[in-house]
Amino acid sequence: NAGVMQNPRHLVRRRGQEARLRCSPMKGHSHVYWYRQLPEEGLKFMVYLQKENIIDESGMPKERFSAEFPKEGPSILRIQQVVRGDSAAYFCASRENQPQHFGDGTRLSIL
Amino acid sequence: GIQVEQSPPDLILQEGANSTLRCNFSDSVNNLQWFHQNPWGQLINLFYIPSGTKQNGRLSATTVATERYSLLYISSSQTTDSGVYFCAARRGSEKLVFGKGTKLTVNP
Repeated sequence: NAGVMQNPRHLVRRRGQEARLRCSPMKGHSHVYWYRQLPEEGLKFMVYLQKENIIDESGMPKERFSAEFPKEGPSILRIQQVVRGDSAAYFCASRENQPQHFGDGTRLSIL
Repeated sequence: GIQVEQSPPDLILQEGANSTLRCNFSDSVNNLQWFHQNPWGQLINLFYIPSGTKQNGRLSATTVATERYSLLYISSSQTTDSGVYFCAARRGSEKLVFGKGTKLTVNP
């Protein structure tokens, strides 16, 4: 049973470009979470999705960030018009019951 | 929302030493997890322990939910134990809240 798969592992973008981060949850998991980790800090919750629905997006910046978890395919975290401050590690987690299982993260670097 | 505090923030040990990491949380929780983030940035799930005691090899964890704290014990530490240890807690259906972590360095 494969774990939570995130890709790419590393992503480099120039300021103003779009970044798309993908997360395939563990088989049978319908709950997906996205977290952001700034350098030297802990993980901060961004958004919680459950198949096609956004349940809690209280941690998402109001502009430029969006997330989806379609009926088929991976969950996508999309960042439009990236800025230097978006440089971070982005982690995805999934669960069916408890606990949450985490992927290896995507390291986003903005030039 | 719930607050999670970890101590100490930094810990330096010699190989073979034992250590205890602490996690305090501000309210009753129904989910408490310990993670190890290795030097490559990967987040390893150590324990899911909303209450009670669990052991896995040289690591064990205890959560006293009524007193709102959890402890992670590392015995006979090895250099591969180095990294950052996070605890994270959740209350009800709220989001998982992470502490700031304990950075552990184990020297040979």
